[in-house]
Amino acid sequence: EAGVAQSPRYKIIEKRQSVAFWCNPISGHATLYWYQQILGQGPKLLIQFQNNGVVDDSQLPKDRFSAERLKGVDSTLKIQPAKLEDSAVYLCASRRETGNTIYFGEGSWLTVV
Amino acid sequence: DAKTTQPNSMESNEEEPVHLPCNHSTISGTDYIHWYRQLPSQGPEYVIHGLTSNVNNRMASLAIAEDRKSSTLILHRATLRDAAVYYCILRDGNAGNMLTFGGGTRLMVKP
Repeated sequence: EAGVAQSPRYKIIEKRQSVAFWCNPISGHATLYWYQQILGQGPKLLIQFQNNGVVDDSQLPKDRFSAERLKGVDSTLKIQPAKLEDSAVYLCASRRETGNTIYFGEGSWLTVV
Repeated sequence: DAKTTQPNSMESNEEEPVHLPCNHSTISGTDYIHWYRQLPSQGPEYVIHGLTSNVNNRMASLAIAEDRKSSTLILHRATLRDAAVYYCILRDGNAGNMLTFGGGTRLMVKP
């Protein structure tokens, strides 16, 4: 079974620029998550989708972050404009609707300079 | 999700057992205890989970205290590939399916 795919793996941008990350979850997984992990900390949930609907986006900084999952499969996370403190690893994860296990991708590493 | 407390770091010798503790004194009756680990430069991966009874799988064992206020992840024979950050997480089985991560325990394995 293919895992959660993310791209790009690494990205360096200047502050105030924009960036987009793409995620393809495991086939058949209805639930998709985006997490932000700052160096030395545990991952923090940004947004959770169930199919193409948002379940929880309470910790998403909506003034600069947006995410969508239009067809209930792939998802995109966008940051515009980026700040220095957005430097982090952005992890996508997915889960089967009736499953307990959450599967994570390898992450997209963002450096804002 | 209820909070967990773990040591920041632990050391182990290769091929020896490792016991990683986790305190969760405010656990509720519907909280499952999950363990994930994160190898360097990778996303977290599932290790094991349980509710009340001890659990075993090919990766590890989970020992849950009778009052459920603490648990221990047991790696029976640590290898260098087990060096990672181990996260103990409580997930409410009745509400929501996200994982709320703490700081975890960084396990270092010495050859």
